[in-house]
Amino acid sequence: DSGVTQTPKHLITATGQRVTLRCSPRSGDLSVYWYQQSLDQGLQFLIQYYNGEERAKGNILERFSAQQFPDLHSELNLSSLELGDSALYFCASSVGGSLTDTQYFGPGTRLTVL
Amino acid sequence: GDSVTQMEGPVTLSEEAFLTINCTYTATGYPSLFWYVQYPGEGLQLLLKATKADDKGSNKGFEATYRKETTSFHLEKGSVQVSDSAVYFCALRDTGFQKLVFGTGTRLLVSP
Repeated sequence: DSGVTQTPKHLITATGQRVTLRCSPRSGDLSVYWYQQSLDQGLQFLIQYYNGEERAKGNILERFSAQQFPDLHSELNLSSLELGDSALYFCASSVGGSLTDTQYFGPGTRLTVL
Repeated sequence: GDSVTQMEGPVTLSEEAFLTINCTYTATGYPSLFWYVQYPGEGLQLLLKATKADDKGSNKGFEATYRKETTSFHLEKGSVQVSDSAVYFCALRDTGFQKLVFGTGTRLLVSP
């Protein structure tokens, strides 16, 4: 158990809908990262927050957005869902933003868009 | 941009065999290198890491050495077990960036 929790574990929804994925980082970790794992794209970085502020952005679609709240939990919002958004979404956390910090991954949320 | 290349899988071995999974990288700076493991139905777990050239990361019998001259970080284990069956991801974290860049993953299947 990494100490990072993600809810829900599974999510099934329809095209055009909007969903929210939630992540609670390990106690004391200030950085939260979101990654998408899909069969065709592999594991890709989406976005990072550090202590409530956006720190880095990767291959995140405009239909996707995220935020980190004062209690440091984070939410990833996916809207106007398409079939291709079906994937495993991982959240990771680290103590700070140092390059040598270890990122600890949650168990993931499996999103299926029908 | 930064990238990581891993050997294609699956790698199929018998228990107690020697394991090597090749990983090479391309990066503009001086990255930290990682191996993560994903067991079926689970998230990613950090297996080992190395933050500078010639560092050796090790954990649970697995080892990898950061080779700057060959831009490689090959994963090795002297004697694999059935419980090592999983997908192994090589990743880098480059200077100036927070994100991890992952390889495509290599599935390891170990039979009794």
